[in-house]
Amino acid sequence: DVKVTQSSRYLVKRTGEKVFLECVQDMDHENMFWYRQDPGLGLRLIYFSYDVKMKEKGDIPEGYSVSREKKERFSLILESASTNQTSMYLCASSGLAGGRAKNIQYFGAGTRLSVL
Amino acid sequence: AQSVTQLGSHVSVSEGALVLLRCNYSSSVPPYLFWYVQYPNQGLQLLLKYTSAATLVKGINGFEAEFKKSETSFHLTKPSAHMSDAAEYFCAVSPRYNQGGKLIFGQGTELSVKP
Repeated sequence: DVKVTQSSRYLVKRTGEKVFLECVQDMDHENMFWYRQDPGLGLRLIYFSYDVKMKEKGDIPEGYSVSREKKERFSLILESASTNQTSMYLCASSGLAGGRAKNIQYFGAGTRLSVL
Repeated sequence: AQSVTQLGSHVSVSEGALVLLRCNYSSSVPPYLFWYVQYPNQGLQLLLKYTSAATLVKGINGFEAEFKKSETSFHLTKPSAHMSDAAEYFCAVSPRYNQGGKLIFGQGTELSVKP
């Protein structure tokens, strides 16, 4: 089974703090994604990466950055957390393993971040 | 640009009743289509996917969805709802030739099941 692990289920941070959200997958997937989930808005893509050291902006990248130094790990960074970044953050991965399954994304359990 | 619309942010059914969750997409070329389910305090789990084989797709937990090109729809159904089906459901679309396997999600439909 594919496993996508997010380092924290719940985080509470203060405005202005630098925040790191970590995500690790164990399926040797090429692609990794960070989403935020807010009520009524569904999932919105923040950043994604289709290879090590490669990153592309999603729909709402402002206020965020990412790092992918190793294939299995994709980090989301909030340089200076703000209250409007209080949300559920979901990491996902997908890959060519399994051929036609490449578009299936596998999700972590999520990190609920509160910025006070 | 591709988009996904889920009709109804909340759907409530009685236990044993038919579940119907609606999803429409916009795309000039039939994309890949997915339904995901999210139980409380969990990540998303794949229910089923359409990738241009059979238009009627069967998934886990008794769910199925039918791809209708003429209606650009991919509605999710289950003949008889169980209490354990209460969750949020997301429809998603992926263009056939996109780098990185990006998905575009609908806004989600929360399903409540009454005893």
